[in-house]
Amino acid sequence: GENVEQHPSTLSVQEGDSAVIKCTYSDSASNYFPWYKQELGKGPQLIIDIRSNVGEKKDQRIAVTLNKTAKHFSLHITETQPEDSAVYFCAARRTTNTGNQFYFGTGTSLTVIP
Amino acid sequence: GAVVSQHPSWVICKSGTSVKIECRSLDFQATTMFWYRQFPKQSLMLMATSNEGSKATYEQGVEKDKFLINHASLTLSTLTVTSAHPEDSSFYICSARRQGAGNSPLHFGNGTRLTVT
Repeated sequence: GENVEQHPSTLSVQEGDSAVIKCTYSDSASNYFPWYKQELGKGPQLIIDIRSNVGEKKDQRIAVTLNKTAKHFSLHITETQPEDSAVYFCAARRTTNTGNQFYFGTGTSLTVIP
Repeated sequence: GAVVSQHPSWVICKSGTSVKIECRSLDFQATTMFWYRQFPKQSLMLMATSNEGSKATYEQGVEKDKFLINHASLTLSTLTVTSAHPEDSSFYICSARRQGAGNSPLHFGNGTRLTVT
């Protein structure tokens, strides 16, 4: 099966600085990599995703990069704001003959210090 | 678009009772929904995959008779925690994918905080 590792588990940055969260995966068959933001007491919300045929994707202050050869992908948040504070999860989707299966990282608790 | 509604958002029940949690896709049809359990400061643990019109597929270690899943329509899946015990207290989250959209992402509900006293 797939194994997704995520680092760091906690991250504190000053407001305005950048934050980077990294994930690695093990199965080269994984072809879709979403990132989710989970605020306290709420369900995860999709913030950005990338497919295996793309190396980088950007949406305003958020970007994701994918290195298929090395099997790792990263979330980059620039000009961080206090409202970016949350837990972020990466995931990898693997397609099998029985359907799609998502595997989640262990999460990164991001704190943006005003 | 792609809103998933989960109800209730929190519930407190006595040990031995059963609790039903609903997961609805509000603006799309979902042949497949997923149920997760999340412990404090931990990642999502997939419990089962709910398939419309057929039996759910449970992950290893998850008791089928304990966590009953029913996916009766393309917009509704329910998780029933039967004979709940304090160790079942947790945050339960559902997610759904749009039917027929092979590359669509997961959309999550806001979770249900279950406390068993």
